Amino acid sequence: GQNIDQPTEMTATEGAIVQINCTYQTSGFNGLFWYQQHAGEAPTFLSYNVLDGLEEKGRFSSFLSRSKGYSYLLLKELQMKDSASYLCAVKTTDSWGKLQFGAGTQVVVTP
Amino acid sequence: GAGVSQTPSNKVTEKGKYVELRCDPISGHTALYWYRQSLGQGPEFLIYFQGTGAADDSGLPNDRFFAVRPEGSVSTLKIQRTERGDSAVYLCASSYEHGSPLHFGNGTRLTVT
Repeated sequence: GQNIDQPTEMTATEGAIVQINCTYQTSGFNGLFWYQQHAGEAPTFLSYNVLDGLEEKGRFSSFLSRSKGYSYLLLKELQMKDSASYLCAVKTTDSWGKLQFGAGTQVVVTP
Repeated sequence: GAGVSQTPSNKVTEKGKYVELRCDPISGHTALYWYRQSLGQGPEFLIYFQGTGAADDSGLPNDRFFAVRPEGSVSTLKIQRTERGDSAVYLCASSYEHGSPLHFGNGTRLTVT
């Protein structure tokens, strides 16, 4: 099976930087996704990593280390609208269509 | 363009009743997924379709749950003899092909009383 861990909640100030960590234990790892979910809304795709390293997309960056079973999502220049839950999800080779999600990290941005 | 559409947005039913939840994926997306999400949790995989066939139904909790996608587009999730523990938000997602990022609908909030 898979075990995906991420912190439950993080609080940061507008304009600051926040790093959300995700660790996973799985066999047949085949990629990691980050999704953003505002309360009462659908998850929306943020980033995808399958190789080690950093992927940068505007204010958001995602990092992966396959050997350590570790990823992080970095949110820079935080805005109030970034207050949301951030979900880490792992894909494995034994089921191409299935994503295993973590419980999500609730980020609260304060003025 | 239109995103993934799910109906109804809310459904309240009594324990023991039968319900159907509908998903209309993004046009041209061959892969369709059903997940369910409880409060404070991440989405939990139920079933995945590639075209008309269920490629992986390992997440369906028991035989009260069934899903179809007869023409490779719209899908219906069917729950028989509903139980209070079935209460959750049922999310549908589609992707251009398996392995591509999932595009989620806004979900159907099912409440079993």
